Amino acid sequence: DAKTTQPPSMDCAEGRAANLPCNHSTISGNEYVYWYRQIHSQGPQYIIHGLKNNETNEMASLIITEDRKSSTLILPHATLRDTAVYYCIVRPHEKLTFGTGTRLTIIP
Amino acid sequence: GAVVSQHPSRVICKSGTSVKIECRSLDFQATTMFWYRQFPKQSLMLMATSNEGSKATYEQGVEKDKFLINHASLTLSTLTVTSAHPEDSSFYICSARPQGRSVQKYASTDTQYFGPGTRLTVL
Repeated sequence: DAKTTQPPSMDCAEGRAANLPCNHSTISGNEYVYWYRQIHSQGPQYIIHGLKNNETNEMASLIITEDRKSSTLILPHATLRDTAVYYCIVRPHEKLTFGTGTRLTIIP
Repeated sequence: GAVVSQHPSRVICKSGTSVKIECRSLDFQATTMFWYRQFPKQSLMLMATSNEGSKATYEQGVEKDKFLINHASLTLSTLTVTSAHPEDSSFYICSARPQGRSVQKYASTDTQYFGPGTRLTVL
């Protein structure tokens, strides 16, 4: 499975855009990039996923570089409720392998 | 949409007893469900893959006789921790992947949707 690298922690001011980077330089052609987040003591919440094209939904935008070796999750207007651990996962098949993620803290 | 529930949310039991945790997909059917375990300050670790109508597939190092999994219907999987001991205390989380025919427009058959988790404490 392709491994991912994320910064261990980030801060973002409330109301600003939060940009969370992820490196996946060993990704192969059929592997999707998935983003989940886990708020303290809860199960992970699906955010978004993509293969090649940029994606947007009601929660976030996913920007994937042309070579697919990295991606950025964008939360356009961060709120305090967005404080969580964010996981970037490259998935070739059914199983999800969770790394350590990025702990995002939204500052009032 | 794509809601997964778990019951109970929290359980405390004595060492040596067995505990059953239920995982239900509420608005979709799932031929495949997954069970994870998360220890404090650690990430989620996949324990097993549960397939409706067949035996579960366990990850390396997970004892199948200790963690019994039953996936008897398209909306329910259960995990039974047998003869629980304090080292089994953890946060157990299930996920479900929607079956193609039941998927709604807000859900994807490629995506796992997670339950809220069950915190097990063994005294």
